[in-house]
Amino acid sequence: GQQLNQSPQSMFIQEGEDVSMNCTSSSIFNTWLWYKQDPGEGPVLLIALYKAGELTSNGRLTAQFGITRKDSFLNISASIPSDVGIYFCAGKLNSGGYQKVTFGTGTKLQVIP
Amino acid sequence: NAGVTQTPKFRVLKTGQSMTLLCAQDMNHEYMYWYRQDPGMGLRLIHYSVGEGTTAKGEVPDGYNVSRLKKQNFLLGLESAAPSQTSVYFCASSYAGLADEQFFGPGTRLTVL
Repeated sequence: GQQLNQSPQSMFIQEGEDVSMNCTSSSIFNTWLWYKQDPGEGPVLLIALYKAGELTSNGRLTAQFGITRKDSFLNISASIPSDVGIYFCAGKLNSGGYQKVTFGTGTKLQVIP
Repeated sequence: NAGVTQTPKFRVLKTGQSMTLLCAQDMNHEYMYWYRQDPGMGLRLIHYSVGEGTTAKGEVPDGYNVSRLKKQNFLLGLESAAPSQTSVYFCASSYAGLADEQFFGPGTRLTVL
């Protein structure tokens, strides 16, 4: 089936640094989502993007819907220890009257205090 | 308001054994979903339900059955567990389909020996 590729797969950063991660697909989507999964928990929605080129912020997080509709980016500024977790992207597409969601493979973020 | 809860949190089965995973939501959501999460892969949809008494196949339904006898509960059954079903299982719910935000449970870690 369709797969979303996220990069990097994992990253170690120093507290206070900025973080960038991205998600790419061979297909277009009409909605992009970014989730965070804390250890032992389910994913929680961080940001939703609905239009190509859209840039949306949620606190220190900023995400962009790529202009080609095949990619999306998530930036975290001034990272803190509680940013640790796995970040997933997801793309939604309306296919035959049914909304289909495809999840990315995840980026594992570790923050060194 | 507990959101989405899953029972049990952990389980170890022997090949061929059966079990049922329970998902409960108290948000009066119509739609409920079962996903599996495997290393290096995005969440994959097993089965979903668009309302009480209805179920439908997702991307990877083989080896699983589901039932939605009550609106608030969605059960995932494994009739004869196989090692390939070792995974973390997440339940999710949404108010009105995938166009709405999905809320995820904390997950059930299942190991099949």
